[in-house]
Amino acid sequence: DSGVTQTPKHLITATGQRVTLRCSPRSGDLSVYWYQQSLDQGLQFLIQYYNGEERAKGNILERFSAQQFPDLHSELNLSSLELGDSALYFCASSFATRWGISGGYTFGSGTRLTVV
Amino acid sequence: DAKTTQPPSMDCAEGRAANLPCNHSTISGNEYVYWYRQIHSQGPQYIIHGLKNNETNEMASLIITEDRKSSTLILPHATLRDTAVYYCIVRVGTQGGSEKLVFGKGTKLTVNP
Repeated sequence: DSGVTQTPKHLITATGQRVTLRCSPRSGDLSVYWYQQSLDQGLQFLIQYYNGEERAKGNILERFSAQQFPDLHSELNLSSLELGDSALYFCASSFATRWGISGGYTFGSGTRLTVV
Repeated sequence: DAKTTQPPSMDCAEGRAANLPCNHSTISGNEYVYWYRQIHSQGPQYIIHGLKNNETNEMASLIITEDRKSSTLILPHATLRDTAVYYCIVRVGTQGGSEKLVFGKGTKLTVNP
């Protein structure tokens, strides 16, 4: 157990639907990062939150959004789902300060999303 | 963003040292080199990171060349459980102290019995 909890582990949904993925960071970590991993794209950075604020953005689609709540858990919302959104979605956390992180990221075990 | 180049695959015999190279010729002076690995479809696992000095922990050693343009991750006694994709990453910082790790394709290390 890495200390980063992602739910659900598996999700199967239909095209056009909306889903929410949840991530609880490791205790004490203020930053949360979301990554998407599909077969042909590798690990793609989506977005970072630090203590409730959006801090960095990657190639995140407009159909996707995220937020980090006061208790530091984060949710990734995926809407108008397409077949191509099928992927593993990983959350990671780190003890990042305003000036940068001091160590590595800790990843969760991921949510496998299948869009049919 | 500083990019890294790694061989797509490597093999290693069980019990021998595995030496995984990485080139990062455009690395900036304040960028760290990180190594992660991903076993099958599990979440990536942090291994080690360094700036310019060699580093060692319970998992591996990291050797960074003096000009910082390349590095080598060393697994001193590889086991079958070390079979994984190994990613060499240069930490990219963006405005406001934000951070993101940009993963490349990595090296698929296969440890053979």
